[in-house]
Amino acid sequence: ELKVEQNPLFLSMQEGKNYTIYCNYSTTSDRLYWYRQDPGKSLESLFVLLSNGAVKQEGRLMASLDTKARLSTLHITAAVHDLSATYFCAVDRAYGGATNKLIFGTGTLLAVQP
Amino acid sequence: DGGITQSPKYLFRKEGQNVTLSCEQNLNHDAMYWYRQDPGQGLRLIYYSQIVNDFQKGDIAEGYSVSREKKESFPLTVTSAQKNPTAFYLCASCIWASRPGDYTFGSGTRLTVV
Repeated sequence: ELKVEQNPLFLSMQEGKNYTIYCNYSTTSDRLYWYRQDPGKSLESLFVLLSNGAVKQEGRLMASLDTKARLSTLHITAAVHDLSATYFCAVDRAYGGATNKLIFGTGTLLAVQP
Repeated sequence: DGGITQSPKYLFRKEGQNVTLSCEQNLNHDAMYWYRQDPGQGLRLIYYSQIVNDFQKGDIAEGYSVSREKKESFPLTVTSAQKNPTAFYLCASCIWASRPGDYTFGSGTRLTVV
């Protein structure tokens, strides 16, 4: 069974600091996703990582994937208040002929303090 | 513009009542999904469907039912058997297996038991 774990669950940061959110998954996966969710809102897609060693960056966020370690990281550089949100990683797997199932981690609530 | 429409945005249910949440997509996606999100927690998969007239249980299907009579529609019924239905419900869709990263999420329905 595919399981996804994130840590930390809660992260309080000061503006200007750097930090990393970790996402571990239990079995071989085809794809790794990062999403952002603002309170009461739907999910916003941030990154899709498709292969070992993949690295993607958008603004102050950078995501990477190590499929051998079954680990993805979301690195935050010089945090600003606007980055305050809950961040989810998710993985899916195409079971040959079966529908993809997207399984989510528990989420990391990021609070950036002035 | 293509997308997923969930309705209603807010729904109140009395004890013992069945309620149906609507999910419609005009993206021509094959697969559709229902997720439940409790406060401070991740998203858990309720049901998913790959094709019309076919669907599978996710991790927390008890107390829920779905139908897939049309490709664009995947309604979720929360039955009276679901003892704790208060949650945020998200519908999603994707092009099955053919293009990674094409998950689209609706804006969600917040269900409250009164």
